[in-house]
Amino acid sequence: DAGITQSPRHKVTETGTPVTLRCHQTENHRYMYWYRQDPGHGLRLIHYSYGVKDTDKGEVSDGYSVSRSKTEDFLLTLESATSSQTSVYFCAISESQVDGYTFGSGTRLTVV
Amino acid sequence: QKEVEQNSGPLSVPEGAIASLNCTYSDRVSQSFFWYRQYSGKSPELIMSIYSNGDKEDGRFTAQLNKASQYVSLLIRDSQPSDSATYLCAVNLRGSNYKLTFGKGTLLTVNP
Repeated sequence: DAGITQSPRHKVTETGTPVTLRCHQTENHRYMYWYRQDPGHGLRLIHYSYGVKDTDKGEVSDGYSVSRSKTEDFLLTLESATSSQTSVYFCAISESQVDGYTFGSGTRLTVV
Repeated sequence: QKEVEQNSGPLSVPEGAIASLNCTYSDRVSQSFFWYRQYSGKSPELIMSIYSNGDKEDGRFTAQLNKASQYVSLLIRDSQPSDSATYLCAVNLRGSNYKLTFGKGTLLTVNP
């Protein structure tokens, strides 16, 4: 997806280990979001950012933290991975609160 | 409670037919409405946005918004097998501090 990249694309990790996912954008958009997508639940917001160092929780934030030290980067950390955090994680960006989001290609995370 | 509702489907239509996808939402104050298309294993892609009552057309796609009925729909004319995907409705709900809330999606299958 043009202007937004996620890394890694796939990751397998063990229960109890910390994991950091990275979202990088070249669009200079103010707003960035982390979603997870699971069968039967759809897309659910984990955390979002409305500027450098400005972040807030979404509906499923327990067990996750985020940081945004630069406009272009938004990091999602699973502090101690659990099997329930096995999911596909999408980063998204938007220019304003009324604009649609552009999604990254996603990270498939498996916690064993 | 889930605030953006979609029929999960699957919705099956023959090639060349009109596919009609529906979405209801809970908040009368919502301002922005979006339709995303998601192919299996891929990230959501924004295909339509609508902000005011009425119809908005873009090629074979028409979005229809009725704020009084809290209803937004997507029509796909001359459906093609390449339209087979999951379609996600997204609304910026006041209750979610205007971040997008997604429906769970409707799976559309277009049969040749």
